[in-house]
Amino acid sequence: KAGVTQTPRYLIKTRGQQVTLSCSPISGHRSVSWYQQTPGQGLQFLFEYFSETQRNKGNFPGRFSGRQFSNSRSEMNVSTLELGDSALYLCASRGSSGELFFGEGSRLTVL
Amino acid sequence: AQSVTQLGSHVSVSEGALVLLRCNYSSSVPPYLFWYVQYPNQGLQLLLKYTTGATLVKGINGFEAEFKKSETSFHLTKPSAHMSDAAEYFCAVSDRVQGAQKLVFGQGTRLTINP
Repeated sequence: KAGVTQTPRYLIKTRGQQVTLSCSPISGHRSVSWYQQTPGQGLQFLFEYFSETQRNKGNFPGRFSGRQFSNSRSEMNVSTLELGDSALYLCASRGSSGELFFGEGSRLTVL
Repeated sequence: AQSVTQLGSHVSVSEGALVLLRCNYSSSVPPYLFWYVQYPNQGLQLLLKYTTGATLVKGINGFEAEFKKSETSFHLTKPSAHMSDAAEYFCAVSDRVQGAQKLVFGQGTRLTINP
């Protein structure tokens, strides 16, 4: 069974630009969550999607948004990038016992 | 709201020695608890989980953890450290809100193995 796939793995943007990250969950998993990981703040929850609906949202500004498609693939978008948005963005799909299976992440650098 | 505290941001042990990584949690409901490992430039890999039942949980790579409700702890152990265990380890508790779910992570413990 293929794992969680995230694209792109690495990307560099400049302040003010926007970025879209993609995530394909494990086949059959319908819940997709996004987390931001930084050295200073650690792992922080962004949002969770289930059956194309956002069910939970973390404490991030409205510049951070996401969506989920009917095939459970998800995208997250960050608009008007700031230097502080540089981070590893992790996507995860949820197993039957509530455990999360993570992808390898998309490392975003904002210059 | 749930929270997790990992005692010690850095732990260093010798190869072959016992590994003990400490995790305490706060939860208003029976918790689901997890340990994850992260190697450099990779995502998080699930080591083990506690949901219900047996309080001693065995995971991959020889790790195990014991859920102690009275101590609100879920410490991770491995009897004999291997060089390949060097990584960052995260303890997490499940926070359920109206059917949705998120994991609340500790700040992580970086494990170094000395030859």
